[in-house]
Amino acid sequence: KQEVTQIPAALSVPEGENLVLNCSFTDSAIYNLQWFRQDPGKGLTSLLLIQSSQREQTSGRLNASLDKSSGRSTLYIAASQPGDSATYLCAVNRNFGNEKLTFGTGTRLTIIP
Amino acid sequence: DTGVSQDPRHKITKRGQNVTFRCDPISEHNRLYWYRQTLGQGPEFLTYFQNEAQLEKSRLLSDRFSAERPKGSFSTLEIQRTEQGDSAMYLCASSPSGFGETQYFGPGTRLLVL
Repeated sequence: KQEVTQIPAALSVPEGENLVLNCSFTDSAIYNLQWFRQDPGKGLTSLLLIQSSQREQTSGRLNASLDKSSGRSTLYIAASQPGDSATYLCAVNRNFGNEKLTFGTGTRLTIIP
Repeated sequence: DTGVSQDPRHKITKRGQNVTFRCDPISEHNRLYWYRQTLGQGPEFLTYFQNEAQLEKSRLLSDRFSAERPKGSFSTLEIQRTEQGDSAMYLCASSPSGFGETQYFGPGTRLLVL
């Protein structure tokens, strides 16, 4: 059974700093990995999707990397802003034909102005 | 707005009552998913549809839960004889028909069972 872990559960950093969020998964037989953002009481917003054949994806100040063989992904946020405060979730999609996402428990990020 | 919509956004009910939630996916998306999220946890998969066909159901989906997507457009999730343990956020997502596509989530329906 696939298990996804995100450490730390919560993180606070001063505005302007660069930061890294971590995600690990136990079964490397994944099709892709996605990073989502969730604001309190709201739904999920997709940030980045990395196919299993890719090593990284970038969107603006966000960069996500994937090391499938070691079961790890990181989300790098550059020049953090107070608006980045949210819970960040990673999710993996198993091999071809199985469409359900398995989520981690998330990292709650607070950017201190 | 052409995103995924869910109705109602909040529902408070008494234990033992039945509730029904609705999800309207992005119009050209063939796939529709239901997830459940409890406080402090990540979403857990419940079920998914390809058009009107329900292709997979989680063991979390007990016989009190039923989901439908009658015409391959909107979907409903019904919970019969609600229990306090059913209190959660119920999230709907949709995606195009290609494998491994990004899933787009709605705002969720927050259920509180008293």
